[in-house]
Amino acid sequence: GNSVTQMEGPVTLSEEAFLTINCTYTATGYPSLFWYVQYPGEGLQLLLKATKADDKGSNKGFEATYRKETTSFHLEKGSVQVSDSAVYFCALHGGAQKLVFGQGTRLTINP
Amino acid sequence: DAGVIQSPRHEVTEMGQEVTLRCKPISGHDYLFWYRQTMMRGLELLIYFNNNVPIDDSGMPEDRFSAKMPNASFSTLKIQPSEPRDSAVYFCASSLAQLGRAGELFFGEGSRLTVL
Repeated sequence: GNSVTQMEGPVTLSEEAFLTINCTYTATGYPSLFWYVQYPGEGLQLLLKATKADDKGSNKGFEATYRKETTSFHLEKGSVQVSDSAVYFCALHGGAQKLVFGQGTRLTINP
Repeated sequence: DAGVIQSPRHEVTEMGQEVTLRCKPISGHDYLFWYRQTMMRGLELLIYFNNNVPIDDSGMPEDRFSAKMPNASFSTLKIQPSEPRDSAVYFCASSLAQLGRAGELFFGEGSRLTVL
């Protein structure tokens, strides 16, 4: 079945460091891929998405490229800020109205 | 426009009590979802509705859980009787379009349930 595997957290970085959060998926066909972010005490919100192979989603300085050959959708940011501290979820559209979420990666950025 | 509104934000109850969680989706959204978030199992889809009709409830853990959507602006998730293992954060989400290429889920802030 469809599944998403994220790198385990927590991840702790210093401000202005480079960020990568790995995400790989297993799915039939060519699913749409997403990154959602959950700030403390809030619900999840869409950060970026990509709907076909080689697409790059980007938002707020974050980027992720849909790599069909490696079934990956890694999240990157060149210079993180304290305000980026949150839990990040990789997800795929598994057909019908179901999003399959990864376990989430908690990111903490220290000043 | 207001986002998805959930209540209560926090609920502490004793085992065996009935719990009702409430959700108001974003106006005009045709789809409503209930998710449960725990440390052990992550985010799980419990049930979703389309135009107030339950479409897929295969994620509802057992008969103690029930969900209704009597109209386009209101849904409830009920647990009766509640058990300690039901302790979790329950999220309601809505979407305007079908998920995938065009759709996006909009989440509420969640209801944190603690069953003692």
